[in-house]
Amino acid sequence: QKEVEQNSGPLSVPEGAIASLNCTYSDRGSQSFFWYRQYSGKSPELIMFIYSNGDKEDGRFTAQLNKASQYVSLLIRDSQPSDSATYLCAVNSGRNSGYSTLTFGKGTMLLVSP
Amino acid sequence: GAVVSQHPSWVICKSGTSVKIECRSLDFQATTMFWYRQFPKQSLMLMATSNEGSKATYEQGVEKDKFLINHASLTLSTLTVTSAHPEDSSFYICSARVSGRLTYNEQFFGPGTRLTVL
Repeated sequence: QKEVEQNSGPLSVPEGAIASLNCTYSDRGSQSFFWYRQYSGKSPELIMFIYSNGDKEDGRFTAQLNKASQYVSLLIRDSQPSDSATYLCAVNSGRNSGYSTLTFGKGTMLLVSP
Repeated sequence: GAVVSQHPSWVICKSGTSVKIECRSLDFQATTMFWYRQFPKQSLMLMATSNEGSKATYEQGVEKDKFLINHASLTLSTLTVTSAHPEDSSFYICSARVSGRLTYNEQFFGPGTRLTVL
């Protein structure tokens, strides 16, 4: 069974700090990895995805992937109170497959204090 | 781009009635849409995968006769909760995958529908 593990948190950081969110997955054949942000009572919003080992940067966000360790992380630089939300890690193990699905972790709650 | 809408955003109904939820991709075509359910303080649970022009694929434990899915076009999928009961009260969220971009399986979510069954 495919599993995606995240620390439920909450992870508390002060405004301006770097928030580091981590995720591990069990399916070694996983191909692509996604980070979603979900505000309370709202649906998930795609932040970024990564599919190659290493780092991928997009504005204040950096995704890091280590397939050997089956580990993916999200760094948020210069954290803002508006970043306070639950961050969902999702993993897709099917590439070029019309029937591949995402497996979601339970999410990590991030709290950024002013 | 990649905007997904859902209607209604919330619905309250009596036990035993049926409720239809629509999911539309507004600025792209989606051969595949997904239906999720999320209970309070829990993660997203995939209910079914909806493919345009074919039968939906349901996840284990999801009753296909209770949760009817129709994906009649590349921009519309519907979920009908038949004979709804209070335990069906939840946040239902659809997502759509952009057609032709199968490589990385990005999914874009609709705003969700909050269903309350009295």
